[in-house]
This record gives sequence, structure tokens and C-alpha cells, in this order.
Amino acid sequence: AQTVTQSQPEMSVQEAETVTLSCTYDTSESDYYLFWYKQPPSRQMILVIRQEAYKQQNATENRFSVNFQKAAKSFSLKISDSQLGDAAMYFCAYRNNNNDMRFGAGTRLTVKP
Amino acid sequence: KAGVTQTPRYLIKTRGQQVTLSCSPISGHRSVSWYQQTPGQGLQFLFEYFSETQRNKGNFPGRFSGRQFSNSRSEMNVSTLELGDSALYLCASGQGKTTEAFFGQGTRLTVV
Repeated sequence: AQTVTQSQPEMSVQEAETVTLSCTYDTSESDYYLFWYKQPPSRQMILVIRQEAYKQQNATENRFSVNFQKAAKSFSLKISDSQLGDAAMYFCAYRNNNNDMRFGAGTRLTVKP
Repeated sequence: KAGVTQTPRYLIKTRGQQVTLSCSPISGHRSVSWYQQTPGQGLQFLFEYFSETQRNKGNFPGRFSGRQFSNSRSEMNVSTLELGDSALYLCASGQGKTTEAFFGQGTRLTVV
């Protein structure tokens, strides 16, 4: 079974600084998709970034980028120029071709002004 | 485009009762998935429906069931409620097998 591990329950970053959230996963499949979701206090899960496993190039969305290491089964999220609005729970998620989606336990990110 | 809509937003039920939660996906999305979120267990997959058929199911007891209608709207039912069913229930819709899921704001269920 696929598992997703986020080893950092909490992280803190100073406003305008850079922070990296870690995620590892376990799978025997070669084709899958990885996502980072953000859940602010409003509870709405918002997609931050996605990565297709077959693509070697790391995905980037404005201040958000990933470091995807397929062999190491690692998928970290880097947030540059952190803003107060980035404070939220961040969930790493894995989705296979059968649409089975698994989430990590989440990392609570605090942004200090 | 309207987002994923879940109703009701909050619900309080008594042990032993049953409850039905509703989810209206984004227009054009045929896949609807349900998740249970609790502080202790995190986000757990309940089931996924696609074109009115259950395509995937998580590891939950038979008290948890769902269905999807021809307009892609989905309902989730929990019978014989237990205190441990208190959670945030999230619904997500998608266009196909491997696209990202778009989430609703959830239904907060409290069982007393």
C-alpha cells in the first residue's frame, strides 16, 4: 500500500524567508502523481502544486517549487519569499492511476512577521 | 465557475442516529471523492465515485456508504453514528483519473 510521510509536524519561517517542507512516499508503481495542498484555518483544501512522476523537471508555481527525487521517493516543497498568508497546514498527497489518493499527516507552517 | 459545494457546513447528531451529507462537484467534473479528517487519524480516504459507480473504497466500516447521481452530485451516509465519527468530512471533485482534486469547505459533523 502506498504511504505518505511528512516528518515535520510543525515548521516556522520568518516573513520573506524561504522554507522547505519534506515529504517522502512509498510505492511500487512507476506512474503516479504528487501534490501539495494547503489548508488554512478556513478548512478549504487548496492545491498548491502538482508533479507528474514521469516528468523529470521540477514543477514551479510562482513562489512555490518542488524538489522531486523519484529514486529517493522524495517530494519536498520550497516556499520562497514567505508571506503571512502562507500560514496553514500543508499536506503532501500521492495519487496513482487507480485514483487512489493518500495524504501525509500534514505540516503546520507558521510565518512570523 | 462555482467550486465544490458541501452541505450542510455544520451538523450535530446524537449517537445511534444516521446522517446524510451532500456534495455538488464543479460543473463538468464526474469524479467525486470523500475524505474524513480528524486530529488523530488525519485525512483518510472514504470512497470515490465516477459516473454513478463506486470506483474506489477506503478502509471504513459498512456504516459509511455513498452514492452518486446522474448529475454527478454525491451523497454520503453514515448510519448508527458513533462518537468517533465526529470529524470534518471533505468532498473533492475531479475531471478524470489523474487530475488534481478540488475540495469543498467540508462538513463538520459532531456526534454527541
